[in-house]
Amino acid sequence: KNEVEQSPQNLTAQEGEFITINCSYSVGISALHWLQQHPGGGIVSLFMLSSGKKKHGRLIATINIQEKHSSLHITASHPRDSAVYICAVAPFYGGSQGNLIFGKGTKLSVKP
Amino acid sequence: NAGVMQNPRHLVRRRGQEARLRCSPMKGHSHVYWYRQLPEEGLKFMVYLQKENIIDESGMPKERFSAEFPKEGPSILRIQQVVRGDSAAYFCASSPGTGGLSEQFFGPGTRLTVL
Repeated sequence: KNEVEQSPQNLTAQEGEFITINCSYSVGISALHWLQQHPGGGIVSLFMLSSGKKKHGRLIATINIQEKHSSLHITASHPRDSAVYICAVAPFYGGSQGNLIFGKGTKLSVKP
Repeated sequence: NAGVMQNPRHLVRRRGQEARLRCSPMKGHSHVYWYRQLPEEGLKFMVYLQKENIIDESGMPKERFSAEFPKEGPSILRIQQVVRGDSAAYFCASSPGTGGLSEQFFGPGTRLTVL
């Protein structure tokens, strides 16, 4: 079993739909990151969070530390949101280290 | 403030040759991470460095791979005697503080093809 599991693996939506991508993890963490990988391969950091909720534009990320679960929501989705969304956790080894453990990603396709 | 820079963007090597991948972190960032993304697979951590120090190399293959981040100049990921299985995208990221609690900024990646 992977330490970071994402669902769904693939997601197709119509423009304007509300989208949710889920991430569950099995290790203790100091933070969780959501990343976006564009079709061209570039990776952009969307959020880093260790508790609660963060919002940036149409994107919202939440985390429940007790349940070891995070969600990424996209409101009013647009074709330009089409990308792979990656959840990554920073494991806590009794002191923050630098490495991240990645989920396999959720490939989102938003149709016009 | 330029982002994380990696070069070359594409690198083709024949089996047995050496590959050198370079990463210049964002200005003011002293923490550098290397990740590998094999075709159709997720990203995997390789190594975490600070200036002149390797902090965590637990994801680095034991043979043929090495990394450095000298006092001056870019971080270098070196792969000796490349094999076809080394073909992948190699991403570098940097952060101003320890990556667990700092946002990491990613470079565009180097796509290595081994013939």
